[in-house]
Amino acid sequence: LAKTTQPISMDSYEGQEVNITCSHNNIATNDYITWYQQFPSQGPRFIIQGYKTKVTNEVASLFIPADRKSSTLSLPRVSLSDTAVYYCLVPFYNQGGKLIFGQGTELSVKP
Amino acid sequence: DGGITQSPKYLFRKEGQNVTLSCEQNLNHDAMYWYRQDPGQGLRLIYYSQIVNDFQKGDIAEGYSVSREKKESFPLTVTSAQKNPTAFYLCASSISDGGYTFGSGTRLTVV
Repeated sequence: LAKTTQPISMDSYEGQEVNITCSHNNIATNDYITWYQQFPSQGPRFIIQGYKTKVTNEVASLFIPADRKSSTLSLPRVSLSDTAVYYCLVPFYNQGGKLIFGQGTELSVKP
Repeated sequence: DGGITQSPKYLFRKEGQNVTLSCEQNLNHDAMYWYRQDPGQGLRLIYYSQIVNDFQKGDIAEGYSVSREKKESFPLTVTSAQKNPTAFYLCASSISDGGYTFGSGTRLTVV
């Protein structure tokens, strides 16, 4: 079953830039790539979405290479409150619209 | 404000009981999903529905049932056949281009 692949965990310090890469080799032509942030006992929260090249909003940037088989979420100058689990999500429309989550990346930001 | 409402936030179930978790959305989204999350784990897909009166099993459907009689509602019943129901349950909805919205979750505990 096609799934996204991310590092299980990452550590960082306050003020640093954090880059989390997600592999999605089986991405379909129609698929967008969406990243979510989840705090314990809460639902995932939308961070950013993109289709190709680069997307930037007030929270993060998303870099997608031309082949679209991976994507990188970039969080500038992280703070302690950015400690959370980050998921990249690809619908995989070739699987009939299933929405499958990968393991996610647990980011720990230290002072 | 548009969004997804899950209720209750906390639910306690006795052994052998069926319980129903509510999920309502006013986003006019066609697709809705139910996920289960265990401590320190990612989200696993239970059931999903792309249109009214139709739904499909996800990866861990055994012991669960759903209905989709209205576009805005997708209740999940945890039956007595589910042997280990204690978990955090999340509902989500989406439109065709991958704009997903999640509820705040229901924590179910077997007592």
